[in-house]
Amino acid sequence: GAVVSQHPSRVICKSGTSVKIECRSLDFQATTMFWYRQFPKQSLMLMATSNEGSKATYEQGVEKDKFLINHASLTLSTLTVTSAHPEDSSFYICSAPTRPPSNEQFFGPGTRLTVL
Amino acid sequence: QKEVEQNSGPLSVPEGAIASLNCTYSDRGSQSFFWYRQYSGKSPELIMFIYSNGDKEDGRFTAQLNKASQYVSLLIRDSQPSDSATYLCAVKVGQAGTALIFGKGTTLSVSS
Repeated sequence: GAVVSQHPSRVICKSGTSVKIECRSLDFQATTMFWYRQFPKQSLMLMATSNEGSKATYEQGVEKDKFLINHASLTLSTLTVTSAHPEDSSFYICSAPTRPPSNEQFFGPGTRLTVL
Repeated sequence: QKEVEQNSGPLSVPEGAIASLNCTYSDRGSQSFFWYRQYSGKSPELIMFIYSNGDKEDGRFTAQLNKASQYVSLLIRDSQPSDSATYLCAVKVGQAGTALIFGKGTTLSVSS
């Protein structure tokens, strides 16, 4: 099946620093990727839709200047958490849908961000 | 606002029993329905998806969809301790390439 990778799997940083998370589709091309965030014992909340070659679409309440998304190629999307604060500590997961007619989405393994 | 509702549980069943997980959704335009399993600290993994009303079986798992009632369920037969996890119901409104809307998940505990 399709594989999506994320890097890094875990990151610990100091408050005020920026953190970049990469999401790669390994064996298929993804013109669209999705970024989710999951707090402990909560469900996955969609943050933004990453579109190859155009600007990302952010969900209501998500600061686009804080969570920078770049979809540089058909296999890579990056999420940069700028000036991270402890409240940004969360589990960040990307996903990519395969092309039609398949309707499946494949999730990356997730990135655990801890901001001290 | 599109919503997906699940009972958070925990749902506790003995080994070998049938576990029944339920999910309701608010948007009648929903077209595709997914069940994911998530172990603590891990990313969700797809168990099943269903598009049409009725039942869909895959091994020990059966998904049931009733669009008139806006209800989707997952049955796990012969439950095993390794099935203990959080089960997430997800709904897609729209065509391929649309993001999923997730419920909060139901925690299942299978005791040996």
